[in-house]
Amino acid sequence: QSVLTQPPSVSAAPGQKVTISCSGSSSNIGNNYVSWYQQLPGTAPKLLIYDNNKRPSGIPDRFSGSKSGTSATLGITGLQTGDEADYYCGTWDSSLSAGRWVFGGGTKLTVL
Amino acid sequence: QLQLQESGPGLVKPSETLSLTCTVSGGSISSSSYYWGWIRQPPGKGLEWIGSIYYSGSTYYNPSLKSRVTISVDTSKNQFSLKLSSVTAADTAVYYCARHLWLTGGFDPWGQGTLVTVSS
Repeated sequence: QSVLTQPPSVSAAPGQKVTISCSGSSSNIGNNYVSWYQQLPGTAPKLLIYDNNKRPSGIPDRFSGSKSGTSATLGITGLQTGDEADYYCGTWDSSLSAGRWVFGGGTKLTVL
Repeated sequence: QLQLQESGPGLVKPSETLSLTCTVSGGSISSSSYYWGWIRQPPGKGLEWIGSIYYSGSTYYNPSLKSRVTISVDTSKNQFSLKLSSVTAADTAVYYCARHLWLTGGFDPWGQGTLVTVSS
């Protein structure tokens, strides 16, 4: 059971837009930055979004991030078949005596 | 361009200690502000942070694994290492190393990962 909740799967047609949600609490998303990762099949995760809505150099502006309260959202526009991957959100969680980095359970994106 | 590469045995027996090393190239592990972390992913499952270390040697562990984890750094070799003791089949996973800032910036970049199987 992940601390952060993501939908197991989402799907959309090429060229369309999709959003992936990440729900947490005041001990994690509510008071910390959120990052998003793309994991293509058989590869390591890759940073897509950091500090809620910033893109590392080289990440196209088709990818966007936002945060409101204790939830965060990853948006992808102009879907391409190459976007098919697992997507994970992550943040710092301070609910235990010692904090820890936590991730969502992942969302599998299918581009129909 | 900073690169990270994990290395170590791919098979560990139950109750033994898993040992992995991450070699950093294209940059210094002693860079201020950056932390060096271990994350694992059981087959078909999500990501779990194991722990992180600063070049000074300060360590931060996931409370759920803290009793079994030791992370160390060797700045002369530009490497940091993970030891996980008393392993069971539940520790079978792809183990990744990655760089991060504290509470900001995300984990970036990641190593390619190495599969460690716990089996007799």
